[in-house]
Amino acid sequence: ETGVTQTPRHLVMGMTNKKSLKCEQHLGHNAMYWYKQSAKKPLELMFVYSLEERVENNSVPSRFSPECPNSSHLFLHLHTLQPEDSALYLCASSQEGGVDYGYTFGSGTRLTVV
Amino acid sequence: TQLLEQSPQFLSIQEGENLTVYCNSSSVFSSLQWYRQEPGEGPVLLVTVVTGGEVKKLKRLTFQFGDARKDSSLHITAAQPGDTGLYLCAGAGSGGSNYKLTFGKGTLLTVNP
Repeated sequence: ETGVTQTPRHLVMGMTNKKSLKCEQHLGHNAMYWYKQSAKKPLELMFVYSLEERVENNSVPSRFSPECPNSSHLFLHLHTLQPEDSALYLCASSQEGGVDYGYTFGSGTRLTVV
Repeated sequence: TQLLEQSPQFLSIQEGENLTVYCNSSSVFSSLQWYRQEPGEGPVLLVTVVTGGEVKKLKRLTFQFGDARKDSSLHITAAQPGDTGLYLCAGAGSGGSNYKLTFGKGTLLTVNP
């Protein structure tokens, strides 16, 4: 499979649950990102991994925990979320140093916190 | 903080009409990209412009990067219902980051048949 694949596509979770979002890319890219997309707001950068090391954590609450076990996989572990965390969570990848060539995004996970 | 302002925020037109959407900033970017996002999907890269004054064409879409590399426009000729979507511009910073993009809020375009 090519491109960036995100699972699950939809997730409904209670505030006390623990869940994980998964992202996989087979493009040979070595930078991966988590973005949050909420209504009426620009895409918000959450985390950046470059060469499997976290290079940016954009003041994200600790209830979001990223993991990058290798250059092809990225996870976002979720626990004790709040209703305002409901959003579309997008994973993207790019070639490190090649941001001018753009990101490849996954289809996203639509998260609803109840 | 580098901000990108997109206008208009919403645009609803009839099939066959022409339109232009804008992306403006007070900051200089090393490159600027345009993405289109359809409902339930992630953004898809349409084009990257790198040189000030550059114009790129993609079928009925024309993209222009401002001379000062602070703004960009997207012009669509003879819009079709398939052009419906959220158009996002994104700038690559000139502050040394080689991986970070700054996104605008987007223009939501609806083309009615």
